Amino acid sequence: DAGITQSPRHKVTETGTPVTLRCHQTENHRYMYWYRQDPGHGLRLIHYSYGVKDTDKGEVSDGYSVSRSKTEDFLLTLESATSSQTSVYFCAISYNRDETQYFGPGTRLLVL
Amino acid sequence: KNEVEQSPQNLTAQEGEFITINCSYSVGISALHWLQQHPGGGIVSLFMLSSGKKKHGRLIATINIQEKHSSLHITASHPRDSAVYICAVNGGADGLTFGKGTHLIIQP
Repeated sequence: DAGITQSPRHKVTETGTPVTLRCHQTENHRYMYWYRQDPGHGLRLIHYSYGVKDTDKGEVSDGYSVSRSKTEDFLLTLESATSSQTSVYFCAISYNRDETQYFGPGTRLLVL
Repeated sequence: KNEVEQSPQNLTAQEGEFITINCSYSVGISALHWLQQHPGGGIVSLFMLSSGKKKHGRLIATINIQEKHSSLHITASHPRDSAVYICAVNGGADGLTFGKGTHLIIQP
């Protein structure tokens, strides 16, 4: 399995607070992705990165920002969490575009 | 935007049965992925294919690019195959577009 971890694994927070989720990889893969998974919607792309400091928006990027200052770390920030951001967040990596994606274990976020 | 449809949404079968899950998409793609997710668990990539057929153990994935359709087959199904199977496609912008998944239950 690809070396990919997410932290925290579980988080409960209150509406309006900032939250940062971390994705860390040891595989030196170029591409990193943040997805959210919700009942009835399936998985949807939030943001992705194609290199250090190179990021772009996905389908559901409103309310989220990302940063990638090192190859191995991709951070997802909710500047002011809302209840609609309660979800399970998955990070994924791939060596290049259009290649197999390897998923992290997920982070369960509950916004009260 | 690519629309990815999976069928059936739910499938319950008996151990040993041959299983087929279908996926169709609306726009041309560069690759199609089949993923597996166990309850409460992580997501595992089963196959990535852009043409033809791939086989791994009891799992077989096929794709017909002209018809924009893919199938995932499980032979000699077993209760441990119970999971959600997700179809996803690459195409256009980076990142995957996913189907809503097929919930498979294999009863002993």
